[in-house]
Amino acid sequence: GENVEQHPSTLSVQEGDSAVIKCTYSDSASNYFPWYKQELGKRPQLIIDIRSNVGEKKDQRIAVTLNKTAKHFSLHITETQPEDSAVYFCAASNDYKLSFGAGTTVTVRA
Amino acid sequence: NAGVTQTPKFRVLKTGQSMTLLCAQDMNHEYMYWYRQDPGMGLRLIHYSVGEGTTAKGEVPDGYNVSRLKKQNFLLGLESAAPSQTSVYFCASSYLGEGTEAFFGQGTRLTVV
Repeated sequence: GENVEQHPSTLSVQEGDSAVIKCTYSDSASNYFPWYKQELGKRPQLIIDIRSNVGEKKDQRIAVTLNKTAKHFSLHITETQPEDSAVYFCAASNDYKLSFGAGTTVTVRA
Repeated sequence: NAGVTQTPKFRVLKTGQSMTLLCAQDMNHEYMYWYRQDPGMGLRLIHYSVGEGTTAKGEVPDGYNVSRLKKQNFLLGLESAAPSQTSVYFCASSYLGEGTEAFFGQGTRLTVV
């Protein structure tokens, strides 16, 4: 099955700085890569996704890049704000199933 | 439009007891999933369904059973609860499965003592 590894497990950034989270996947057949944000005590919610025929996608302060050859993808958050503090999960989709990384706890320091 | 709703939100079970978690979605989604979330391990797929009347095993299916008798409902059963099943359980649904957004329920926090 698919194996998704996510790094780092925790990330502390100063407000206004950038945050980068990296993920690798094992199954070359995976073709959909979403990112979910989970605030404390809440459900995971999709923040951005990318498909295998696209190398980069941006939505305001959030961007995702995908390197299919190397089987890795990354989330970039620019100009971080206190409300960006949360746990972020990457995932890879293959055969109707989403396989998640272990998560990154992001803390934005004021 | 409620989205994905899980029942109950919290539950404490004694070892060996059984229970059923209910997931209901009102978005007419074909695909439904049960995940468990444990600290440092992300979300792990227990079972999933690609349509009414169908179910399949995920990554960690042992100790759980599921049923999808109606398109809008996906039930997760624990026949004999064990402390290792203490976790937060999330149900999710998606329209097409592959390549489409999965919407999550609010979660069920289950403690087995």
